[in-house]
This record gives sequence, C-alpha cells and structure tokens, in this order.
Amino acid sequence: DGGITQSPKYLFRKEGQNVTLSCEQNLNHDAMYWYRQDPGQGLRLIYYSQIVNDFQKGDIAEGYSVSREKKESFPLTVTSAQKNPTAFYLCASSSGAASSYNEQFFGPGTRLTVL
Amino acid sequence: AQKITQTQPGMFVQEKEAVTLDCTYDTSDPSYGLFWYKQPSSGEMIFLIYQGSYDQQNATEGRYSLNFQKARKSANLVISASQLGDSAMYFCAMRGMNTGFQKLVFGTGTRLLVSP
Repeated sequence: DGGITQSPKYLFRKEGQNVTLSCEQNLNHDAMYWYRQDPGQGLRLIYYSQIVNDFQKGDIAEGYSVSREKKESFPLTVTSAQKNPTAFYLCASSSGAASSYNEQFFGPGTRLTVL
Repeated sequence: AQKITQTQPGMFVQEKEAVTLDCTYDTSDPSYGLFWYKQPSSGEMIFLIYQGSYDQQNATEGRYSLNFQKARKSANLVISASQLGDSAMYFCAMRGMNTGFQKLVFGTGTRLLVSP
C-alpha cells in the first residue's frame, strides 16, 4: 500500500539531546513537509522540500534541521536549540508543483516528549 | 497574509443528523484553494474535500459538502447523516495558488462529537 510512514510513534528525549524523526513515503511525491501541532492549535510549518537536495524554512524552523538526500525520505532533527520541543509532529507529501491544486497526504505522526 | 478562523471549539451532533462546521478565511490572493481535513484520535490528518476559489459549484464528496460563499469568505463543511466514526477534530485550511511555493495555512480546528 502506498503511503507515508513515520517513526517512532512516541519519542522521549532528555533536555540537551538531539533526536531525529523519520519520514518515508512511497507515493513518488516530489514535495515533502514537516509540521508541528500543539494542543488547541492548528498545524505550523517547520520545513518543506520541493525536490531532492533542496529544502526551505517554514514559519518555525528555529531549533530544527532537515535533509532530503532521497526522494522518499525527509528526516527531521530536533536539536537542543529548540526551546520547547514537546509536541506532535506530522510529515506530509504532495505531488506536482506547489502552486497547483494537490492535496497533502499525511503520516500518522510522532509524539515527542521532553523529560 | 492568509488566515483561517474556526470559531467553534467543539460541536455535538446526534447520529444520523447533519452538522455544519464553520470556517472563515482571509486572503488577498485572487486565486486560492480551500481544504478540509479530519484528524481522528490516532493523529493522522485525512483529506476530506477541496474547493477552488473559481469553482462554480460547491464541492461534494460522499457525505461531505462544502458550502462556499465567496463574498462572505466562508467555506463551511457540512456532514450529512453523521456517524459515530465522524467523531474527530476537523481542520479547515487554505493555500494561495499564485506562482511559487504557497504554504498550507490551518485553522485551530473544531472537535466534533457524535452521540448515539
């Protein structure tokens, strides 16, 4: 089945540690996205990538880093510089040009908790 | 800048009844798209329906329809014949359709609870 997988589902981190969230898609989509969701809020864009080896900052990129070495994969690293990393993280992908209509497909999410 | 407003934090509906979830938006883009997503307790965002700003007809997808009133800048989601499985968070989102990357802007969501 085609889709987006994220791992792990739950992640616990001690303060000062970097952690990497995995996102893989087999939909052959060019564009991939990372969002953060906090309780009572909608999704906010962290980073996006429209093509392999290229990515751009979203609205809340500080304290995060990404890479896009393969079309299928878009891992997100939450660094120790992120002051309040506890949140629900969603990865998404879409086909075609970002300027045209195309729905974004979402993964199941990773819930990160900083202890 | 684009903005989505969902003023209903929570809605209750009885099974088999219809329910309307409100969404208003603000944008200066002449061309844009409006989306509705469902987020069950599992967390995954599920795409429900899309409406383009130049579409003449209101979008429909099965039990979901979008009541698009362009002059009022509203894009309400109507769910007919509610089912228990419809209990979830619902998010309205929009994106401009100009050239270049246009991010998807989300509202804060409405929690729908369907009772037997």
